[in-house]
Amino acid sequence: EVQLVESGGGLVQPGGSLRLSCEASGFTFSSYWMHWVRQAPGKGLVWVSRINSEGSSTTYADSVKGRFTISRDNAKNMLYLQMNSLRAEDTAVYYCARGQQGGYYYYWGQGTLVTVSS
Amino acid sequence: EIVLTQSPGTLSLSPGERATLSCRASQSVSSSYLAWYQQKPGQAPRLLIYGASSRATGIPDRFSGSGSGTDFTLTISRLEPEDFAVYYCQQYGGSPPLTFGGGTKVEIK
Repeated sequence: EVQLVESGGGLVQPGGSLRLSCEASGFTFSSYWMHWVRQAPGKGLVWVSRINSEGSSTTYADSVKGRFTISRDNAKNMLYLQMNSLRAEDTAVYYCARGQQGGYYYYWGQGTLVTVSS
Repeated sequence: EIVLTQSPGTLSLSPGERATLSCRASQSVSSSYLAWYQQKPGQAPRLLIYGASSRATGIPDRFSGSGSGTDFTLTISRLEPEDFAVYYCQQYGGSPPLTFGGGTKVEIK
């Protein structure tokens, strides 16, 4: 059974940093592109970032470029999102998702809430 | 960036009725790389349709997707009580960013 389990969310002050993790199981992690998608409270879904299966290519939404870094450890079946210089508008539930054929998502994690507030 | 506009914002229907949800793209979606998701409160989204018209594994056949280019439709032929939720379209063709529509809420009338 495919499972994606996020962790690392919490309350952080504006300008602070947080590192999200996503533990994958039930599939060959190193064969899939992985993505982060976020959802602000009461709002819609927004794509954040993606990383290729080897970890050698990354892409970001303009809103997080230069502040967030996506990475992966295929030996540990782990996906990460390092978030720096956090802003109030980064407050959201962050989902990791397994990419399929360019970027639709059969499998999602349960999400982890990040709250940026003083 | 391809902007997806979903309409209507809210659809009020009764169980057993037909639901027709629209997703319009600001430019052509390559290779019909258009997906639909269902999301219920407190849950992660669930994939319904990919490639504009292919049903995901385990999705009932009352859900169907159609369209190409810039106009896409999700149809629920007969609403079941568990179908009342928010629905999102997503395009994943071409260059990033991947984008989602703003969502259509299907509520019980």
